[in-house]
Amino acid sequence: DAGVIQSPRHEVTEMGQEVTLRCKPISGHDYLFWYRQTMMRGLELLIYFNNNVPIDDSGMPEDRFSAKMPNASFSTLKIQPSEPRDSAVYFCASSSGLAGYIDEQFFGPGTRLTVL
Amino acid sequence: AQSVTQLDSHVSVSEGTPVLLRCNYSSSYSPSLFWYVQHPNKGLQLLLKYTSAATLVKGINGFEAEFKKSETSFHLTKPSAHMSDAAEYFCVVTAGAGNNRKLIWGLGTSLAVNP
Repeated sequence: DAGVIQSPRHEVTEMGQEVTLRCKPISGHDYLFWYRQTMMRGLELLIYFNNNVPIDDSGMPEDRFSAKMPNASFSTLKIQPSEPRDSAVYFCASSSGLAGYIDEQFFGPGTRLTVL
Repeated sequence: AQSVTQLDSHVSVSEGTPVLLRCNYSSSYSPSLFWYVQHPNKGLQLLLKYTSAATLVKGINGFEAEFKKSETSFHLTKPSAHMSDAAEYFCVVTAGAGNNRKLIWGLGTSLAVNP
């Protein structure tokens, strides 16, 4: 398997623009996670899905952020409108699980977002 | 409620000396516990995990951790530090079931290894 795939790897945009980050999890994994990492706030769990259903979105910072998982092989994290403080590295991870147990998470390479 | 506390934000050791990174947790359920490592400008990788089997867990690169329920701790250790161990380390707990299922990350411990 190719592992967790994220695109784009780098994104530079201007304040106010819409940004869409994409993630393809490892085939067969039931869980998908979105994280944000900055020097100031460290690593933050934004949201995670189980079988395409959002389980915990308490980490989503505000209404400008939205995440979807239309099928088992694809998820998006959208920021609209973007702001400079959204600049960060965004990681996607996936994991298998049985009966609600979350196993090892496999992380993608991350998307480095810069909002000017 | 579930929580994770990494007791040290920064740890500095000399090469060849032991490493101890401390993690305490709080959980109303039987937890699963993980340690992840992130090397500079890299993604995250699993070091080891505890899932209610043996309380002493061995991971990659010579690291191990012991689950101590009475102390609610899951400290990460290595007998002899190597320069390549310099990285950020995260303790993670998952607990609960159904709609109460939570995934909690510690704030991380930065490990520096001095020559």
